[in-house]
Amino acid sequence: VQLLDSGGGFVQPGGSLRLSCAASGFTFSSYGMSWVRQAPGKGLEWVSGISGSGASTYYADSVKGRFTISRDNAKNTLYLQMNSLRAEDTAVYYCAKESVTAIQTRFFYWGQGTLVTVSS
Amino acid sequence: QSVLTQPPSASGTPGQRVTISCSGSSSNFGSNIINWYQQLPGTAPKLLIYGNNQRPSGVPDRFSGSKSGTSASLAISGLQSEDEADYYCATWDDSLNGRGVFGTGTKVTVL
Repeated sequence: VQLLDSGGGFVQPGGSLRLSCAASGFTFSSYGMSWVRQAPGKGLEWVSGISGSGASTYYADSVKGRFTISRDNAKNTLYLQMNSLRAEDTAVYYCAKESVTAIQTRFFYWGQGTLVTVSS
Repeated sequence: QSVLTQPPSASGTPGQRVTISCSGSSSNFGSNIINWYQQLPGTAPKLLIYGNNQRPSGVPDRFSGSKSGTSASLAISGLQSEDEADYYCATWDDSLNGRGVFGTGTKVTVL
């Protein structure tokens, strides 16, 4: 199993970024996936999750209405579209794989993380 | 702000037993499993305990988990220097549309 996060970078407040997580080594469509972030010096925060089929999506209150999670099961790739970015969104973003098709925060595998910095 | 509360720190000498608590509510602990993660500095988290008390392959049996009511505990017996890390509990919360939640995190120091 391998998860490769990408798409992070520097963006001004109000800007947008799209994160990607390329998955390999397992049947991607069979497992739920989540994004988890960690602000500098802070704890872990669950951001968003999506079921294996993509039919069900979930968001933390802090990002609801601004972030959109999606997946392309044909390309084995998870996405996080981040709009209206704020300074408080600055963090390392990890994608994480569930052990079932639903979301249970039971992440056996994690990406390496990609840093998003929101600053003027 | 996390809905799962952990003590900010815990410590012990090598060989001692250290216990970390995780306190929640009926909307998260009520019918959901608790998972625990270990995070070493500069690395991605690692699943330590899943399903309240199960260890993934490769995790030493020094680590154990339990859940009772709206609280859970992670115990580290025979504390070793390499156990110095941050530890987080996590679960699903059924409130609103549903969301994942992590605990506030506990820094374990080996004295």
